[in-house]
Amino acid sequence: AQKVTQAQTEISVVEKEDVTLDCVYETRDTTYYLFWYKQPPSGELVFLIRRNSFDEQNEISGRYSWNFQKSTSSFNFTITASQVVDSAVYFCALGRGSTLGRLYFGRGTQLTVWP
Amino acid sequence: DTEVTQTPKHLVMGMTNKKSLKCEQHMGHRAMYWYKQKAKKPPELMFVYSYEKLSINESVPSRFSPECPNSSLLNLHLHALQPEDSALYLCASSQVKRAGAPEAFFGQGTRLTVV
Repeated sequence: AQKVTQAQTEISVVEKEDVTLDCVYETRDTTYYLFWYKQPPSGELVFLIRRNSFDEQNEISGRYSWNFQKSTSSFNFTITASQVVDSAVYFCALGRGSTLGRLYFGRGTQLTVWP
Repeated sequence: DTEVTQTPKHLVMGMTNKKSLKCEQHMGHRAMYWYKQKAKKPPELMFVYSYEKLSINESVPSRFSPECPNSSLLNLHLHALQPEDSALYLCASSQVKRAGAPEAFFGQGTRLTVV
């Protein structure tokens, strides 16, 4: 079975603080994909990052960075120097290599950044 | 251009009405999806179309009827809905897996209220 766990329901930080969103996944597939999506109040799910199961290279893109560790089945997401515009619900999602289109979402983490 | 356009953005309908949700993308994606999202919950997959053919139906009630007239358009026809069907309906598109990047791009959604 596929499962994504985001243990943090809500996080509040003050602007310019760093914040890390946790994601733990379960799958028996050898090929899979992991995603982070951002959902602002407007409703659109904005794609942020994808990692393939065979690519454990971590990455930094501007204020965003990702830490993918297969050994602990974790795919954490860090925002450096947070801004008010980062306030949103962030979803971690798992896609199987074999099943077209189906995304398994975590329950989401509401991030609020206060000025 | 990574845009998926959904219309209308808001819809209020009675339980005896018939309405349709529309979704359009021009990214050349051959996979399109409908998701349903209740408040404070993650999106739930409803339907997947691959090459304009229905490939996944997540046991959705027949009062929801999807249609994919061509590779750019996806409709969701609604008839005799119940108040519990009130939700945000999200359309998404992606390349077909194993042919390219599997990430899905989402529209802003239609906020549906059934009265």
